[in-house]
Amino acid sequence: SAVISQKPSRDICQRGTSLTIQCQVDSQVTMMFWYRQQPGQSLTLIATANQGSEATYESGFVIDKFPISRPNLTFSTLTVSNMSPEDSSIYLCSVVFLRGPGTQYFGPGTRLLVL
Amino acid sequence: GENVEQHPSTLSVQEGDSAVIKCTYSDSASNYFPWYKQELGKGPQLIIDIRSNVGEKKDQRIAVTLNKTAKHFSLHITETQPEDSAVYFCAASKAGGTSYGKLTFGQGTILTVHP
Repeated sequence: SAVISQKPSRDICQRGTSLTIQCQVDSQVTMMFWYRQQPGQSLTLIATANQGSEATYESGFVIDKFPISRPNLTFSTLTVSNMSPEDSSIYLCSVVFLRGPGTQYFGPGTRLLVL
Repeated sequence: GENVEQHPSTLSVQEGDSAVIKCTYSDSASNYFPWYKQELGKGPQLIIDIRSNVGEKKDQRIAVTLNKTAKHFSLHITETQPEDSAVYFCAASKAGGTSYGKLTFGQGTILTVHP
């Protein structure tokens, strides 16, 4: 089965800094998404990563805070900018595979702690 | 937008018993309902899903039922085992248009199976 990987798997960062999270898939996907899971909470969609164009953000999330890139069919990055302790969360990418029934699969997540 | 309510928030059962988790959704246009299992330190894993043209789907010890009229769907786990202990999330989405693939999650259920 296809593999979804995220880097880094976890990080501890200082407030005011930025962190870029990578999501790599080993086969082509049609759609890639980024979700946030705050401690002990459910998952909330941040944005849809569109190949070769600007990401589509959900209400409450803005490009200046969470810039996203998707240069090709298998790779995307999410940057968490100017971090504060409130950004401490698990960040998850998810994908819908090009050859499949439209099912969405999640990566292992990046666990971020902001001090 | 879509709203998904999930109950119960915690569920404790003895090994071998059945477990049932229920979700309701608000948007009658939603037509895809996946269930995810999340173990500690891992990303959500798809365990079963159902589309709105089907009322029930079963995969070994796991089954999902959907009542479109009442806008609710349920996860049934039979013959529970300690390794079933995890957090379970239901989700809903609409196929097609700008909402394609965007999952709205329930709040999650912490399932504990006691040996």
